[in-house]
Order: sequence, then C-alpha cells, then structure tokens
Amino acid sequence: EAGVAQSPRYKIIEKRQSVAFWCNPISGHATLYWYQQILGQGPKLLIQFQNNGVVDDSQLPKDRFSAERLKGVDSTLKIQPAKLEDSAVYLCASSSPTSGMETQYFGPGTRLLVL
Amino acid sequence: ILNVEQSPQSLHVQEGDSTNFTCSFPSSNFYALHWYRWETAKSPEALFVMTLNGDEKKKGRISATLNTKEGYSYLYIKGSQPEDSATYLCAFINQAGTALIFGKGTTLSVSS
Repeated sequence: EAGVAQSPRYKIIEKRQSVAFWCNPISGHATLYWYQQILGQGPKLLIQFQNNGVVDDSQLPKDRFSAERLKGVDSTLKIQPAKLEDSAVYLCASSSPTSGMETQYFGPGTRLLVL
Repeated sequence: ILNVEQSPQSLHVQEGDSTNFTCSFPSSNFYALHWYRWETAKSPEALFVMTLNGDEKKKGRISATLNTKEGYSYLYIKGSQPEDSATYLCAFINQAGTALIFGKGTTLSVSS
C-alpha cells in the first residue's frame, strides 16, 4: 500500500513570495490533515478535511493560508504571502474513518525556509 | 487551552540501555492518546493508539502504558539500539475535540 505522498520535499523562498504544497493521501482515506511543525514545537493542526469538506480550520491563518481538497482526494496548501515565521515543516496526514482513535498516516513533510 | 507536555526534551543513551519517556495530558474528557516515532527526513510513524485506562501496548522492544485518571502515559524502550534514535511524539484528543494535540516530543539519541 502506497503511503502519503507530499511534494516538494524542500522549498526555500523569500518573504512575501507565494508557495504551494501538494499532498496525495492513502487511497480510500476520507480524512486529510495538514499540520505545521515549527522547530522545537509539536505539530499543530492547520486544517482537517472530511472528503472535500472542511471539518476544522480554526488554527489556519486565513489571511495568508488557504487549502483545498478538490474531488476529495489530493489536497494543496498555499501560503500567500509568506512570512519569516512560516518557516516550518508542513506535514500531511490521512486516516479512515475519523473518530480520534484511528491512526493517522503521515507523509514525509515539506520543509519550508522563508528568507 | 489544552496542553500536552513531554519529558525529557532530549536524552542520550548507550546501546543496550533501557529508557522511558513521559507524556502528560489533561485527564478530563479523555478520548485517546497516540504515540508516534519520527526519524529525521522520514515520515512520522504510528506506534500506538491507546484509549483505556490501565492499557498497556507493546511493539517489539517498545511498550507504552496509560493512566487516564492522572493524565499520563509512559513509553519504554528496552535495550535501545542506534536505530531507535528519533523524536517520539505523543498526541492527545479529548471527547469534544476533532484534532490531535501534540507534545513537543522527546528526542532520543542512541550511540553504539
């Protein structure tokens, strides 16, 4: 079974530029998560999708971050414009179904550095 | 604000040593506790999902216990090997939540 795929693996941009990350979850997983992990901290949920609907985006900085999951499969996370404090690892995870007890399967993450 | 604390933040052991880490979480409205292992440049890997007070789970040389009444979980590694070097994350979810709340992790380094 293929795991969660993410691209790119690394990205370096200058502040005020835009960047987009892509995630392909495990086939058949209805729930998809985007996490932000800043160095020295634990992963923080940015947004959770159930199929193509948003379940929780309470911690997503909506003035600059956006995410979509068209057709309930792949997802993209965009930052526009980026700030220095957005430097982090962006993790995508998927699970099926979702009740809090199911294992979340993570991708390798995208390491973003904003200069 | 729900908070998950992990200790120690980091530790270094010799090959063959046994070690343990602590995860503390809010005890009210407990639902589930997850443990993950995250090796550098790899995907976080699920170790355990624990839901019952007193539960104990084991995977090879790694085991975990759960005390939901006092709000803590221990992760044990018996006979540490260099390949155990990683950051170990715990994550908590309560009955009202939809999202896992992660601790900052314990970074283990095992030298041969």
